[in-house]
Amino acid sequence: NAGVTQTPKFQVLKTGQSMTLQCAQDMNHNSMYWYRQDPGMGLRLIYYSASEGTTDKGEVPNGYNVSRLNKREFSLRLESAAPSQTSVYFCASSETDLSSYEQYFGPGTRLTVT
Amino acid sequence: RKEVEQDPGPFNVPEGATVAFNCTYSNSASQSFFWYRQDCRKEPKLLMSVYSSGNEDGRFTAQLNRASQYISLLIRDSKLSDSATYLCVVNGGSGNTGKLIFGQGTTLQVKP
Repeated sequence: NAGVTQTPKFQVLKTGQSMTLQCAQDMNHNSMYWYRQDPGMGLRLIYYSASEGTTDKGEVPNGYNVSRLNKREFSLRLESAAPSQTSVYFCASSETDLSSYEQYFGPGTRLTVT
Repeated sequence: RKEVEQDPGPFNVPEGATVAFNCTYSNSASQSFFWYRQDCRKEPKLLMSVYSSGNEDGRFTAQLNRASQYISLLIRDSKLSDSATYLCVVNGGSGNTGKLIFGQGTTLQVKP
């Protein structure tokens, strides 16, 4: 099992460009999450999907959109990238929406917006 | 005030030392508590859940004090491989299912 995979691993964008970060899990988990991690800030939840067909905003959703394509895949889209979106993005999954369950993280995407 | 607060460190300790990290959280409705470990430029991974009665996993002991809204992690007989950032994680409380709140992490460096 690969667990949680993310593509790409690294990306450099110019301000105003768009891109989609891909995430897939092979653990048959119902819930999936997108976080960003900035120095001194900890991980902050951008969006999450409690189950296939549902998505909800997290703490910092502005400037992002998500799609839960199927049970395995959850993508994050930046429509018009800004330098403030320079960060490390982590996708995670868990068995259920109940936050007493462990979340499994992908290896991250390091995004720089110039 | 941050929802989950940790001393960022770094804590520099010699091999074999005992080191303790503390964490405070602001939401008294939180029900689930965890310590995650994150190696440099890697993803976070669950180290251990924290139970009300306290729990131990080998050299690691976690404690929860609900009255003070305080969580601790004790590492005994530190190894070089324990060098990492330790993230205190708390669930968002009732009505916030699925939302984990992460502290900014405490960095541990174990020296030979």
